[in-house]
Amino acid sequence: DADVTQTPRNRITKTGKRIMLECSQTKGHDRMYWYRQDPGLGLRLIYYSFDVKDINKGEISDGYSVSRQAQAKFSLSLESAIPNQTALYFCATSEDEGGLNEQFFGPGTRLTVL
Amino acid sequence: EDQVTQSPEALRLQEGESSSLNCSYTVSGLRGLFWYRQDPGKGPEFLFTLYSAGEEKEKERLKATLTKKESFLHITAPKPEDSATYLCAVQAPHSGYALNFGKGTSLLVTP
Repeated sequence: DADVTQTPRNRITKTGKRIMLECSQTKGHDRMYWYRQDPGLGLRLIYYSFDVKDINKGEISDGYSVSRQAQAKFSLSLESAIPNQTALYFCATSEDEGGLNEQFFGPGTRLTVL
Repeated sequence: EDQVTQSPEALRLQEGESSSLNCSYTVSGLRGLFWYRQDPGKGPEFLFTLYSAGEEKEKERLKATLTKKESFLHITAPKPEDSATYLCAVQAPHSGYALNFGKGTSLLVTP
């Protein structure tokens, strides 16, 4: 079984719709992250969470919100989707040992906003 | 502002033809430099972490090195299965331990 899972894997939606992407992990890690990947731009950080009560904005948080429901679950919401949010979205986790540990990525969610 | 620049953007090699990928960075207080491999349609897969200048790490045909300004990923006698996009990322204390990624180098190894 995969350590970091994301649902859905693919989603097509329309402008203005509310969308939630979900991430679950069985690695027991405290830290979780959401990134988006666009062709030619690389991976960019949206939000990150050190634990259930600690959530922080990343480089490109506008238009997004997150919820850390439990240590193992971190959801990303698009309150009103727009076409330029079409991208590949990745969730990642890491251990809380001074932050010097590698991040483990999920398989990604491909989101298309029409 | 932290910057990570990878070159070349794309590289095509013959099987067995060794080469190097470059990752140049500017960051205040580097905590670690990470290399990942990403196959099409998949999440990045961790390869190496380097923490200080002079450090080297190896895994099969890959060897990563680090200086104060850049890192190299050397690929020795590559095989077609090494074809992927290789991503470099830096981690700094002011970024909350999140990773700042370069745009990647797309490597194609032909038989």
